[in-house]
Amino acid sequence: AQTVTQSQPEMSVQEAETVTLSCTYDTSESDYYLFWYKQPPSRQMILVIRQEAYKQQNATENRFSVNFQKAAKSFSLKISDSQLGDAAMYFCAYRRAGGGADGLTFGKGTHLIIQP
Amino acid sequence: NAGVMQNPRHLVRRRGQEARLRCSPMKGHSHVYWYRQLPEEGLKFMVYLQKENIIDESGMPKERFSAEFPKEGPSILRIQQVVRGDSAAYFCASSHAYRGDTEAFFGQGTRLTVV
Repeated sequence: AQTVTQSQPEMSVQEAETVTLSCTYDTSESDYYLFWYKQPPSRQMILVIRQEAYKQQNATENRFSVNFQKAAKSFSLKISDSQLGDAAMYFCAYRRAGGGADGLTFGKGTHLIIQP
Repeated sequence: NAGVMQNPRHLVRRRGQEARLRCSPMKGHSHVYWYRQLPEEGLKFMVYLQKENIIDESGMPKERFSAEFPKEGPSILRIQQVVRGDSAAYFCASSHAYRGDTEAFFGQGTRLTVV
C-alpha cells in the first residue's frame, strides 16, 4: 500500500519570503502522479500543482514549484514570495498512474502560517 | 459552470440516526470519489463510483456505510446508526476520466457531527 508522509505539522513564514513544505512517499509502482492540494478555512480542496513521475523536469505554477526526487521518493513544495492568501493547510497526495480506482492517498497535512 | 456541489454543508445527527450526504458532480463528470477527513488528518479514500456502479469500495467501513451513484441524480453516501466516531468532514470529488493524471475537483464537504 502507498503511504504519504508530511513531517511538518506546522510551518510559519514571513510575508514575501520563501517557504518549503516537505513530503515523502512510499510506493512500489514506477509510474504515478503526485499532487499538492491547498485547503483554506473554507475547506475547499484546491489543486496547487501536479507532477508526473515519468517527467524529470520539476513542475512549476507561478510562485509554486516542486522539487521531485524520485529515487529518494521526495516531493517538496516551494512557495516563493509568500502572500497572506497562501495561509492554509497543504496536503501532499499520491495517485497511481493506472487509473483512479483507488483514489488519492493523502498525507496528514502541513498548516502554513503567513506572518504579515 | 457549477463545481462539485455537496449538501448539506453541516449535518447534526443523534447517535443511532441515519445520515445522508449528497454530491452532485461537475457537469459531464461520471466518476465520483468519496473521502473522509477526521480532525487533524488528511483525507482518506472511501469509495469510487461510476454511474450505477461501485468500482472500488476498499476504503469503506464494512458495516453501516453505503454509497450509490444512480443514473439520474446525485451520488449519496449513507451512514446508518451513526456513532460519535463518524463525526468528520466528508468530501466528494468528481472527474471526467479514469486516468491517474486526471484532475479531481472537490466539493466543499459536509461536516457531520454526531451528538
